Amino acid sequence: DAKTTQPTSMDCAEGRAANLPCNHSTISGNEYVYWYRQIHSQGPQYIIHGLKNNETNEMASLIITEDRKSSTLILPHATLRDTAVYYCIARLNTGGFKTIFGAGTRLFVKA
Amino acid sequence: NAGVMQNPRHLVRRRGQEARLRCSPMKGHSHVYWYRQLPEEGLKFMVYLQKENIIDESGMPKERFSAEFPKEGPSILRIQQVVRGDSAAYFCASSPAPRATYEQYFGPGTRLTVT
Repeated sequence: DAKTTQPTSMDCAEGRAANLPCNHSTISGNEYVYWYRQIHSQGPQYIIHGLKNNETNEMASLIITEDRKSSTLILPHATLRDTAVYYCIARLNTGGFKTIFGAGTRLFVKA
Repeated sequence: NAGVMQNPRHLVRRRGQEARLRCSPMKGHSHVYWYRQLPEEGLKFMVYLQKENIIDESGMPKERFSAEFPKEGPSILRIQQVVRGDSAAYFCASSPAPRATYEQYFGPGTRLTVT
């Protein structure tokens, strides 16, 4: 798995968009970018993943740069319940590969 | 469709006792992964199992820890002769058989406290 780098923590005002950056400059051509989050000691929750195209689902949007060396997770309208640790992971998409979690970004959504 | 289930949710053991943690994967999932999260730290991979096979145990401590995923029943993570350093949250995840675009779904975790 490629190494990823994320800021340690970020703040966001409730109702505003939260933009969480991730650097993965050593990502290989067949590795996907995955995002998970962990809300206060709960089990990690899958958010979204992508290879090279931007992706959107009901939870978030994922913007991947053209050179694939970085990406941004966007929570369009952050709520207090989005306060969590967000993990960016670069890994293969097939086979039973383990997920290597880094330290993640601790997002604080404030009222 | 029930999610990944883990039990017990909280487990207290005295030093030297055995801890058995159970994980029932999502219906139709035949791959199970165990992770450990020490207080204030990130998740660390421990072991990956398919039914009746250990595929990758590179994250398992060499002693006292073992895991199984029998043909029938839940996956079991067993810790023998627990020590205080084993106190942590243990998460199980499951995924379907290998194919493109699969996900790992995590359970709520078992919090082990060793006194």
